[in-house]
Amino acid sequence: DSGVTQTPKHLITATGQRVTLRCSPRSGDLSVYWYQQSLDQGLQFLIQYYNGEERAKGNILERFSAQQFPDLHSELNLSSLELGDSALYFCASSEAGVVGNEQFFGPGTRLTVL
Amino acid sequence: AQSVTQPDIHITVSEGASLELRCNYSYGATPYLFWYVQSPGQGLQLLLKYFSGDTLVQGIKGFEAEFKRSQSSFNLRKPSVHWSDAAEYFCAVGDHNNNDMRFGAGTRLTVKP
Repeated sequence: DSGVTQTPKHLITATGQRVTLRCSPRSGDLSVYWYQQSLDQGLQFLIQYYNGEERAKGNILERFSAQQFPDLHSELNLSSLELGDSALYFCASSEAGVVGNEQFFGPGTRLTVL
Repeated sequence: AQSVTQPDIHITVSEGASLELRCNYSYGATPYLFWYVQSPGQGLQLLLKYFSGDTLVQGIKGFEAEFKRSQSSFNLRKPSVHWSDAAEYFCAVGDHNNNDMRFGAGTRLTVKP
């Protein structure tokens, strides 16, 4: 158990819909990262937050957005969903948010878009 | 931007045999390099990392990796594989300028009894 929690574990929705994925980092970790894992794209870094502010951006689509709240939990919002958005979405957290810090991964949220 | 190549999509080894998983990276400066393992249905777990210093790094679960700058490689090794090592292994390179982390496509390890 990494100490990072993600809800829900599974999500099934339809094209065009909007969903919110939630992540609670390990106690004491200030930084949260979001990743998307799919069969065709592999593991892709989406976005990073540190202490409530966006710190780094990867291959995140404009239809996707994220935020980190004062209690440090984070949400990833996916809108206008397409079939290709079906994937495993991971959240990870680290202590200080620099690339050298170990990232602790949650168990993931599996999103299926029908 | 940095990139990572894991040339082997799938490797099968017998239990007790040695293992080497290949990783090649592309990065302009000294990279931050990582190996992660993902067991079925689980998130990723860090096995080891390299930033500087001794080019042979030891990790958890008996794994080690060697950084070879001349070959732009960071191969993962284990002298004797256990059935519980069956998993997907990801090499990653971090850019300390922008906190961006790039993962390889992964190598799936199957362990034969």
